[in-house]
Amino acid sequence: DVKVTQSSRYLVKRTGEKVFLECVQDMDHENMFWYRQDPGLGLRLIYFSYDVKMKEKGDIPEGYSVSREKKERFSLILESASTNQTSMYLCASSLFEGTQYFGPGTRLLVL
Amino acid sequence: DQQVKQNSPSLSVQEGRISILNCDYTNSMFDYFLWYKKYPAEGPTFLISISSIKDKNEDGRFTVFLNKSAKHLSLHIVPSQPGDSAVYFCAAIQRGYSGGGADGLTFGKGTHLIIQP
Repeated sequence: DVKVTQSSRYLVKRTGEKVFLECVQDMDHENMFWYRQDPGLGLRLIYFSYDVKMKEKGDIPEGYSVSREKKERFSLILESASTNQTSMYLCASSLFEGTQYFGPGTRLLVL
Repeated sequence: DQQVKQNSPSLSVQEGRISILNCDYTNSMFDYFLWYKKYPAEGPTFLISISSIKDKNEDGRFTVFLNKSAKHLSLHIVPSQPGDSAVYFCAAIQRGYSGGGADGLTFGKGTHLIIQP
């Protein structure tokens, strides 16, 4: 079974703080993704990576950056958290293009 | 512009009956489609997928139908069970778009399926 884990289930941060969300997968997948889910908007792609140190912008990259130093780990960074970044953040990984497997999600509240 | 649309925000079905969830897409280059199921406070779980070279794929109680000419797919759940109550997301991808690298899935906004006892 594919296992994708995220460092925190719930997180509360203050406006302006730097926030790190960590994701680890144990299936040796090349591809990793960060999405955010908001009510009425579905899942939207923030960034993805198809190899170590490689990254590509998704649909809504503004205000975010990512880091992929090791194959199994993909980090999402909020450089200066804002209240409109309050959301559910979902990490996913895939071996080939297509089926992605998701972690449990991190619910972030920015005050 | 929304490329994947799920026009029903919610659907209520009686236990034991068939649940039909619909999805429309506008990008004719999409060639792989997936359905995910999501419970509150959990990540989406992959359910079933279909390639554009097929028009039907079946896995147990779940069947996905693809009508390429209408750019429409549907997920049938038969028989519906209480544990099927969840939000269902339709997703699509154009494989090979990124020149061999990955690409993200394009998701619909989801349909909340409620199975009534």
